[in-house]
This record gives sequence, C-alpha cells and structure tokens, in this order.
Amino acid sequence: AQTVTQSQPEMSVQEAETVTLSCTYDTSESNYYLFWYKQPPSRQMILVIRQEAYKQQNATENRFSVNFQKAAKSFSLKISDSQLGDTAMYFCAFMVGYGGSQGNLIFGKGTKLSVKP
Amino acid sequence: NAGVTQTPKFRVLKTGQSMTLLCAQDMNHEYMYWYRQDPGMGLRLIHYSVGEGTTAKGEVPDGYNVSRLKKQNFLLGLESAAPSQTSVYFCASSRQGAYEQYFGPGTRLTVT
Repeated sequence: AQTVTQSQPEMSVQEAETVTLSCTYDTSESNYYLFWYKQPPSRQMILVIRQEAYKQQNATENRFSVNFQKAAKSFSLKISDSQLGDTAMYFCAFMVGYGGSQGNLIFGKGTKLSVKP
Repeated sequence: NAGVTQTPKFRVLKTGQSMTLLCAQDMNHEYMYWYRQDPGMGLRLIHYSVGEGTTAKGEVPDGYNVSRLKKQNFLLGLESAAPSQTSVYFCASSRQGAYEQYFGPGTRLTVT
C-alpha cells in the first residue's frame, strides 16, 4: 500500500521570502506520479505542480518548484517570492501509473501555510 | 465551460435520512471520482468510475453507493446517513491517459 506523509502541519513565511514544504511517500511501484495541490479558504482544490517519477529533472511552474529525491522517496515543494495569495492548505498526493488506465490519488494530511505581510 | 460542478453546496441531514449528491462535468472526461475530506485529513477516495455504466470502490466505500448512467454525471448516494458521514465531499474528473484530476467546489454535508 502507498502512503504519503507531510510532517509539517503548519508553517508560516514572510511575504516575498521562500518556503519549503516537505513530503515523503512510500511505495514499491516504479511507475508513479506526484502532485502538490493547493486548497485556499474557498475550498477549491487547485493543482500546483506535477512530477513524473521517470523524469530526473525537477518540475517547475513559475514561483513553484519541487525537489524530487526518488531514492529517498522525498518530494518537497519550494515557493519562491511568497505572496499573500499563497496562503492555503497544501496537499502532497501520489498516484500509481497503470499504463493506459488511471491510478487513484492518495493524499497526505496537508500543511497549512500562512503568508504574513 | 463550467468544468466540474457539484449540487448542492451545503446540506444538513438527520441521522437515517437519505440523499444524493450530483456531480457534473462538461469536459467529456471518461474518469470520475468521489472523495471525502475530514478535518486534519487529506482527501480519501470513496468510489470512482472509468466510464459510463461502470463504478468501482475506493478506500472508504462503506455507507455510499454511486451511479454513472451518463458520461457527464456521477451520483453519490447515502441511503441512511450517519454522523460519521459528516464531511466535505469532492468530485473530480480526468481524461483517460491523463493524470491530472479536475476538482469540483465541494459539498459540505452535516449529519445530526
């Protein structure tokens, strides 16, 4: 069975600074995907970034980047130049890739990030 | 293009009552999912569907039933609501072969 662990229930960062959210996972699968989702107070789940396990290069999306350490089963999210709108719950999620069919998302418990002015 | 919509947004039920949550997507996605989110927890998969007329159990299926009679709709039913089913329910959809899931806005259900 796959598990996802987020060890930081809450974090805070000053506006314009950089923050890193941690995520570790456990799996025996070789083909999988990792995601970071953002959930602002509106409750909407928003995909922030995705990483395919077979890719060595770390994914980046504007101010968001990941540090994917496959051997250590670690998948951290770095937010640069933090903005007030980044205040949200952040969920790390894992999905096994089944070739042509879909795996199911397995979520961590989340990290509540507060960006302070 | 509304994406994924959920009806209703809020609902209060008494123990033992039944209800159906409706999820609709206009992206022609083959796959649809129902999750629940409890305080201090991430989302957990209840049921999912890989196509019209097909459904499968997820991690926490007990107490729920689902139906996918039309490709664009995925219904989640509670036959006899229990306080343990108080939660926020999210629907999601995805294209076959793509791994991004698109989420609806959620339904907050309270069972008293």
